[in-house]
Amino acid sequence: AQKVTQAQTEISVVEKEDVTLDCVYETRDTTYYLFWYKQPPSGELVFLIRRNSFDEQNEISGRYSWNFQKSTSSFNFTITASQVVDSAVYFCALSGDYGGSQGNLIFGKGTKLSVKP
Amino acid sequence: EAGVAQSPRYKIIEKRQSVAFWCNPISGHATLYWYQQILGQGPKLLIQFQNNGVVDDSQLPKDRFSAERLKGVDSTLKIQPAKLEDSAVYLCASSFTENNEQFFGPGTRLTVL
Repeated sequence: AQKVTQAQTEISVVEKEDVTLDCVYETRDTTYYLFWYKQPPSGELVFLIRRNSFDEQNEISGRYSWNFQKSTSSFNFTITASQVVDSAVYFCALSGDYGGSQGNLIFGKGTKLSVKP
Repeated sequence: EAGVAQSPRYKIIEKRQSVAFWCNPISGHATLYWYQQILGQGPKLLIQFQNNGVVDDSQLPKDRFSAERLKGVDSTLKIQPAKLEDSAVYLCASSFTENNEQFFGPGTRLTVL
């Protein structure tokens, strides 16, 4: 079965601190995709990144960076120099190429990040 | 480029009543999804369409929920009759194809009293 675990329920940091959100996944698929989404208080899910299982290169986008390690089944997300606008719930998600259900996103329970000024 | 549109944004109904939600995906996106997000949890897929065909409805409570995408564009999700446990946010998403990034609409917050 596919599963995504975000062990951190809530994290609180002070502005300008770096913060890492953990994501551990389980899948039997050899081809799969990992995603991060941001859900601000307004409620709309905002796409941040998609990685496929064959691409283990880390990615950096501005203050955001992602560390994908197949050996530990982890896809962690780091925000450098956090800002108040980063306050949101962050979801890690997984989809695979199994059966006829490609694209079905399996979400973790989310990590609520609060950045205080 | 216009995003995924959903209406209504909020709905309050009594249990055993019926309700319908509407979604218009991003133009050109063949795959459309309906998710249910209960407070404090991640979204859970209810149904996935590829054009106007159902790809996956294994988690759709078919005794009360139904969905259609007749012309392969807009979609409606219906609940009849509603139960208290259906109180949630119903999210519609679309993607160019399966396994591409999904773009989500603002959601419909349903409260069943």
